[in-house]
Amino acid sequence: EAGVAQSPRYKIIEKRQSVAFWCNPISGHATLYWYQQILGQGPKLLIQFQNNGVVDDSQLPKDRFSAERLKGVDSTLKIQPAKLEDSAVYLCASSSRQRQETQYFGPGTRLLVL
Amino acid sequence: SQKIEQNSEALNIQEGKTATLTCNYTNYSPAYLQWYRQDPGRGPVFLLLIRENEKEKRKERLKVTFDTTLKQSLFHITASQPADSATYLCALAYFGNEKLTFGTGTRLTIIP
Repeated sequence: EAGVAQSPRYKIIEKRQSVAFWCNPISGHATLYWYQQILGQGPKLLIQFQNNGVVDDSQLPKDRFSAERLKGVDSTLKIQPAKLEDSAVYLCASSSRQRQETQYFGPGTRLLVL
Repeated sequence: SQKIEQNSEALNIQEGKTATLTCNYTNYSPAYLQWYRQDPGRGPVFLLLIRENEKEKRKERLKVTFDTTLKQSLFHITASQPADSATYLCALAYFGNEKLTFGTGTRLTIIP
């Protein structure tokens, strides 16, 4: 079974530019999560999707961050415009309907904002 | 808001000994608590889940305990090996909500 795929793996941008990350969850997983992990900290949930609907986006900075999961499969997370403090690893995770407690994480996208 | 503390940023243990990591939380008890392993440049990997009404869970050389009175979970790795070196994260979830809140992690190094 293929794991969660993310791209790109690394991205360097200047502040005020925009950036987009892509995630392909494990096949059949209904729930998809985006996390932000700042160096030395644990992952922080940004947004949770159930199929293509948003379940929780309470910690998503909506003035600059947006995410979508149009067909209930792949998802994109966008930052526009980026700030220096957005430098972090962005992790995507997915879980199945039968075992929703267990989340499977992708390798992450490491973003550096200069 | 819920606060999760993991005992130390880094822990060095001699190979063959038992490594014990601590996760403390404030406020109300979670429905369940999970432990994840994270290697550099990789995403977290699920290890164990323990529910509010369980005292202990085991999986091979791993053992997790959960004390809701102390508001604490202990994570043990017995017969530790250098390959166990990684950052270990604890995460909590509450009833009716699968949202995980993570601690900051403990970086474990097993010294040969």
